[in-house]
Amino acid sequence: GQQLNQSPQSMFIQEGEDVSMNCTSSSIFNTWLWYKQDPGEGPVLLIALYKAGELTSNGRLTAQFGITRKDSFLNISASIPSDVGIYFCAGFQGAQKLVFGQGTRLTINP
Amino acid sequence: GAGVSQSPSNKVTEKGKDVELRCDPISGHTALYWYRQSLGQGLEFLIYFQGNSAPDKSGLPSDRFSAERTGGSVSTLTIQRTQQEDSAVYLCASSLSNGNYGYTFGSGTRLTVV
Repeated sequence: GQQLNQSPQSMFIQEGEDVSMNCTSSSIFNTWLWYKQDPGEGPVLLIALYKAGELTSNGRLTAQFGITRKDSFLNISASIPSDVGIYFCAGFQGAQKLVFGQGTRLTINP
Repeated sequence: GAGVSQSPSNKVTEKGKDVELRCDPISGHTALYWYRQSLGQGLEFLIYFQGNSAPDKSGLPSDRFSAERTGGSVSTLTIQRTQQEDSAVYLCASSLSNGNYGYTFGSGTRLTVV
């Protein structure tokens, strides 16, 4: 099946720093989604991208859908403690099955 | 309901026993999905339902795993003769019919096989 590769696997940053993570695939995806998972909870949708080249913001979060449709990045500006968690990229394989990357674990030092 | 509800939230079972995990999707969501998340790993697709039928069950790891959905609502994931490698968090999600706006996940059932 299609694989989504996320990098970095983990990040340790200081509060207030900006964060950048990305997701790549060898296959084309028509939709890219970014989720965040807090400990003990299910993933929550942050941003959805539907068009190649699309740049979308949600507060301090910005995500872009790569022109080739094989990659996406997520940026978080001015990180705060509640940004801690695991960030997953996801894309649709076929019409209905959502496949996920392995996640980027974000840790913030106060 | 307001969100996707899963029960139990935690389950400890002895190796070889059968377990049933339950998922109540958001009212009106016709699509329902089961994923498995092993410790520190990403989400592994298991099965998805459209209404009561399962067009894609390709992710079920073995014939010990089965799932059903009744009334287009509640779904049950059953694991027979549990093994230690079945220990994981089992996540359920639901969506409107085409799922293109992303899924809404429940908080999961943490299964520990001892």
